[in-house]
Amino acid sequence: DQQVKQNSPSLSVQEGRISILNCDYTNSMFDYFLWYKKYPAEGPTFLISISSIKDKNEDGRFTVFLNKSAKHLSLHIVPSQPGDSAVYFCAASGAAGNKLTFGGGTRVLVKP
Amino acid sequence: EAGVAQSPRYKIIEKRQSVAFWCNPISGHATLYWYQQILGQGPKLLIQFQNNGVVDDSQLPKDRFSAERLKGVDSTLKIQPAKLEDSAVYLCASTFLRGADTQYFGPGTRLTVL
Repeated sequence: DQQVKQNSPSLSVQEGRISILNCDYTNSMFDYFLWYKKYPAEGPTFLISISSIKDKNEDGRFTVFLNKSAKHLSLHIVPSQPGDSAVYFCAASGAAGNKLTFGGGTRVLVKP
Repeated sequence: EAGVAQSPRYKIIEKRQSVAFWCNPISGHATLYWYQQILGQGPKLLIQFQNNGVVDDSQLPKDRFSAERLKGVDSTLKIQPAKLEDSAVYLCASTFLRGADTQYFGPGTRLTVL
């Protein structure tokens, strides 16, 4: 029962171009969504989040879009840099506490 | 500010042996989580503590896994006996308050069960 899905296991993009990562969820009780970035041999680090009362949140080169009706969110990285090469996890939580449910991750490779 | 500390970083054991992992959260963080991340998957919550009390252990395989946070600071996660399918990275995370939006993760312990 995968409540959070990242259907693209990998993504390759040229430096300077846009990276778009997608995430779908099934649980309508989720109301807070986060993206984490993970380098090899390190723990995930928080990147950006969005509450269900918004449809867009922007932080520098990173923008997250939320489409509640479609139960879909996406992360845009513009412009992509080689240091962005990592695994990106989408996560969601409900109103009660902050238990996170993670997607399976998307590995991003930014080519110089 | 020091981050979440975990040890050991790597552990190799044979099946049916026991193993323990240690986590020291960020100072002052009341909520502590243990996650299991199997290769190619996202982290899955095993147990959540609020101070020294368990908030959620619904996904903890209690026949072989146990965890404690006796003084509300450090925590240990134990597996006894280990199975091949327990091979994974075990991540510890903490937040200042329950309901806080950002969890801070440690580097994890990579467990290999042979």
